[in-house]
Amino acid sequence: SQTIHQWPATLVQPVGSPLSLECTVEGTSNPNLYWYRQAAGRGLQLLFYSVGIGQISSEVPQNLSASRPQDRQFILSSKKLLLSDSGFYLCAWSSVGQPQHFGDGTRLSIL
Amino acid sequence: AQRVTQPEKLLSVFKGAPVELKCNYSYSGSPELFWYVQYSRQRLQLLLRHISRESIKGFTADLNKGETSFHLKKPFAQEEDSAMYYCALSGGDYKLSFGAGTTVTVRA
Repeated sequence: SQTIHQWPATLVQPVGSPLSLECTVEGTSNPNLYWYRQAAGRGLQLLFYSVGIGQISSEVPQNLSASRPQDRQFILSSKKLLLSDSGFYLCAWSSVGQPQHFGDGTRLSIL
Repeated sequence: AQRVTQPEKLLSVFKGAPVELKCNYSYSGSPELFWYVQYSRQRLQLLLRHISRESIKGFTADLNKGETSFHLKKPFAQEEDSAMYYCALSGGDYKLSFGAGTTVTVRA
């Protein structure tokens, strides 16, 4: 069966430091992959999605970037974190035409 | 542009009472609508999708294109239904737009 792993679960970083969050999917090939952010009191906002290796679409201008170096690996990065980058980050995957399945999320706090 | 509105941030009901979570959407084409649920200490998971037309855990939701709504209903709420519920819309282009979510508390 398919599983999705996302880590770390929580992260506390100082302003200006780099960021790398990783997400991997098992048990499927060529999934669509997604990064969402949930700010306090708001719904989930799609940040990036990918339909294949090296193919990244950005939904909102921001301080973050995404990469997909392997078929089932999706990475969210930043060179210099801002206070506004704090939030809850969720990775998700789906097969074409199927609902999305979510990871456990990463709680990111910027100090 | 597509948008999903969940007007209620919090909803509190007694066990055994009916519960209805409202969801309205804005989309110019034919959307696919979903309800996702997140129980305490669990990951976000799909509850139901409108094209399945099925009842999951006693919940149903009907897509009303005239009113652009996809309200979630359950006739008799249970304590285990306490959770955060998100309505979401897909325009068929892989992307989901989520509402802000409704926190449901079912009291004994």
